[in-house]
Amino acid sequence: DSGVTQTPKHLITATGQRVTLRCSPRSGDLSVYWYQQSLDQGLQFLIQYYNGEERAKGNILERFSAQQFPDLHSELNLSSLELGDSALYFCASSAGTGFYEQYFGPGTRLTVT
Amino acid sequence: GEDVEQSLFLSVREGDSSVINCTYTDSSSTYLYWYKQEPGAGLQLLTYIFSNMDMKQDQRLTVLLNKKDKHLSLRIADTQTGDSAIYFCAESQGGADGLTFGKGTHLIIQP
Repeated sequence: DSGVTQTPKHLITATGQRVTLRCSPRSGDLSVYWYQQSLDQGLQFLIQYYNGEERAKGNILERFSAQQFPDLHSELNLSSLELGDSALYFCASSAGTGFYEQYFGPGTRLTVT
Repeated sequence: GEDVEQSLFLSVREGDSSVINCTYTDSSSTYLYWYKQEPGAGLQLLTYIFSNMDMKQDQRLTVLLNKKDKHLSLRIADTQTGDSAIYFCAESQGGADGLTFGKGTHLIIQP
């Protein structure tokens, strides 16, 4: 158990809908990262937050957004969903920025029908 | 751009050593990692190496880094059935960037 929790575990929704994925980092960790794992694209970094502020952006679509709250939990919002958004979404956390080990949560499996 | 390449499959006999290889293109990669993913699970950090190191050993795991060739390998000694998983190589430049992952190598253990 990495100490990172993600809810829900599974999510099934229809095209065009909007969903919110939630992540609670390990106790004491200030950085949260979101990754998408799909069969065709592999594991891709989406976005990082550090202590409530956006720190880095990866391959995140404009339809996706994220935020980190004062209690350090984070939410990833996915809107106007398409079939191709079906994937595993992982959250990871680390103590800070720079070199710190990233600990991954168990993931949320999103299926768009 | 950044790219990390791994072969997709590796099959070894139980008890033998497994060597999983990875190449990366970004010469500014500062940190290199190996993660393990078991079926239905998240990613578990196995080990990491800084770019100023050539080798790191941690129990059954040995990481070798050839910075000139941008080649990273993970050797698992005395491979067991519990080692069956997907192994991901990843790199970062530290700072604010997320990790760039390879596509993963499926390690298959034959009895």
